[in-house]
Amino acid sequence: AQSVTQPDIHITVSEGASLELRCNYSYGATPYLFWYVQSPGQGLQLLLKYFSGDTLVQGIKGFEAEFKRSQSSFNLRKPSVHWSDAAEYFCAVGAKGGSEKLVFGKGTKLTVNP
Amino acid sequence: DTEVTQTPKHLVMGMTNKKSLKCEQHMGHRAMYWYKQKAKKPPELMFVYSYEKLSINESVPSRFSPECPNSSLLNLHLHALQPEDSALYLCASSQGGGGTAANEQFFGPGTRLTVL
Repeated sequence: AQSVTQPDIHITVSEGASLELRCNYSYGATPYLFWYVQSPGQGLQLLLKYFSGDTLVQGIKGFEAEFKRSQSSFNLRKPSVHWSDAAEYFCAVGAKGGSEKLVFGKGTKLTVNP
Repeated sequence: DTEVTQTPKHLVMGMTNKKSLKCEQHMGHRAMYWYKQKAKKPPELMFVYSYEKLSINESVPSRFSPECPNSSLLNLHLHALQPEDSALYLCASSQGGGGTAANEQFFGPGTRLTVL
């Protein structure tokens, strides 16, 4: 079964600074990989996803993520954080050839200081 | 319309009550999901309907009863809940169904449930 680890529970950055959120997965092959964002009191919104091909994936709101097979990682990055990026970020994996089920990491809460 | 709507936004119920949560989407999606999310935790999958048929039940207690009356609607019937069932209940939908995790899931804003 697939699993996902987000090592950082809480990250604080200053507005305008760069951001990297870490995600490591465990799965026998390359799974489907996703990053979702959840603002307080809201549902989740997909930022980007990786299935295959180019290992650098562009998403919405200026986010990108890089898939590294050798490290079983799918880290999320943004070059310049805005105050509105403060939210909870979830990495999720889905099994190829499996069901509709996604397994979510425990999340990283991002705080942005002015 | 790329929206998943959920009603009610908030619900307070006693342990002997019967209530229902409702979810609706008009994106033509054929897979619909119920998740439970406790505070400061990730969403946990409860049920998946694919083409209006229950395809995944993650060993959820029978006091939660899902229903998919048609391709646009998903209900979650609640009966004899426990205080530990208090959580945010999220509905999601995705295109196609068909047993794949590849499709983007669109989430509703959730129903905040409190069980007294």
